Amino acid sequence: NAGVTQTPKFQVLKTGQSMTLQCAQDMNHEYMSWYRQDPGMGLRLIHYSVGAGITDQGEVPNGYNVSRSTTEDFPLRLLSAAPSQTSVYFCASSPDSNYGYTFGSGTRLTVV
Amino acid sequence: QKEVEQDPGPLSVPEGAIVSLNCTYSNSAFQYFMWYRQYSRKGPELLMYTYSSGNKEDGRFTAQVDKSSKYISLFIRDSQPSDSATYLCAMKPGAGRRALTFGSGTRLQVQP
Repeated sequence: NAGVTQTPKFQVLKTGQSMTLQCAQDMNHEYMSWYRQDPGMGLRLIHYSVGAGITDQGEVPNGYNVSRSTTEDFPLRLLSAAPSQTSVYFCASSPDSNYGYTFGSGTRLTVV
Repeated sequence: QKEVEQDPGPLSVPEGAIVSLNCTYSNSAFQYFMWYRQYSRKGPELLMYTYSSGNKEDGRFTAQVDKSSKYISLFIRDSQPSDSATYLCAMKPGAGRRALTFGSGTRLQVQP
C-alpha cells in the first residue's frame, strides 16, 4: 500500500496565484487532515474531515479551502497565495480521530 | 499560552544514554497522548500511543502520562545515532472529533 501520497513535493508560487495541494490515501481511512509546519510553531491544523462530504476548520483556516468528495482524496486549495503561506504542508489520515495518524511526506511551498 | 509546551532543544546525548523527552499541557480534557518521530525533511511517524494515564513500553521506548500533573514523557533506552530526529508530542480530548494538538517538537542528537 502507498499510504498517504502528497503532490507536488515542492512548489514555488507568486503572490496572488492559486493552487491545489493534492492528498490521497489508500487505507480507507475516514479521518483526514491538513497541517502546516513552521519553525518553532510545530504542526498547526488547517482543516480536517471526518468523512466524505464533511469538513471543518482547524486552528489556521484563513486563506485555505478544502472539500472531500471521496474517502480517498482531500485536496487543499490556496485561494490567493501570500508569503505568510510559505511553509511545509502535511496531509494525514486515520481510521478515526482517536487513532494515530499516518502522515504524507509533505509539500514544501514557497510564496514569493 | 500554548495548549501544549515542549522544549525545542536541541538535546545532545552520547550513544547508549537514556533520553527523556517531555511535554506539558494545559487542557485537562486531553485523554489520548501520542509521540511522533520526524526525521529531517520527512513526515512524522507514530511512535507511541497512550490512552489516559499510565505507562506503555515498546522495545527501547517507554511513554508515561501523568494527568494529575498534566505532564507526559518519552524515554529512550540505549539511544542510537539512528534515533536522532525531532520528537513531537500530540494529544486530544476524549470526546468529539477534534483533531490532534501537537507540541512544537524537541530535536534530539545522539552522538556516536
